[in-house]
Amino acid sequence: GNSVTQMEGPVTLSEEAFLTINCTYTATGYPSLFWYVQYPGEGLQLLLKATKADDKGSNKGFEATYRKETTSFHLEKGSVQVSDSAVYFCALIDGNQFYFGTGTSLTVIP
Amino acid sequence: KAGVTQTPRYLIKTRGQQVTLSCSPISGHRSVSWYQQTPGQGLQFLFEYFSETQRNKGNFPGRFSGRQFSNSRSEMNVSTLELGDSALYLCASSLEHFSGNTIYFGEGSWLTVV
Repeated sequence: GNSVTQMEGPVTLSEEAFLTINCTYTATGYPSLFWYVQYPGEGLQLLLKATKADDKGSNKGFEATYRKETTSFHLEKGSVQVSDSAVYFCALIDGNQFYFGTGTSLTVIP
Repeated sequence: KAGVTQTPRYLIKTRGQQVTLSCSPISGHRSVSWYQQTPGQGLQFLFEYFSETQRNKGNFPGRFSGRQFSNSRSEMNVSTLELGDSALYLCASSLEHFSGNTIYFGEGSWLTVV
């Protein structure tokens, strides 16, 4: 079956630190991959996406590369800010359903 | 362009009651999907509607139902509420049946069952 596995949080970083949130997936077909972000008290917002192998999604300084050989879609940012504090969800669409990871909470301290 | 709008934003219901949540998709979007978010279970897919037809359904009991109207607006109903139904219910819309397309989420409806 299909599934998404994210690294467990919470993650606490100092401002300007490097961020990596690991995400691996299992899929029977050729999924599209997504990172969504949820700020406190809000719904989910699309952060970035990649629709085929070797695609790199990027937005607001965040990047993730679709790696078919390792079935991964790790989220990275070179220098985090306090405003990046949120919960991050890795997700995939394969066929007719969305599958989400459990979310990784990130707190960035000044 | 207005985003996905969900109403009500917050509500409190008593165990055994039923509740209806509403979702207005982004103008032009024809697919609406619903999700339940809880601290314990994370984000789980409930169902998707496209052109007034339920296209896909997650693993939830029959107490959870929905419908979509000709203007693409959707409602979700939960009958015989249980304490465990307390959650954030998120609605999302996309242009077409969401496979391969990006979906856009609303801010959610916070349901508390007491």
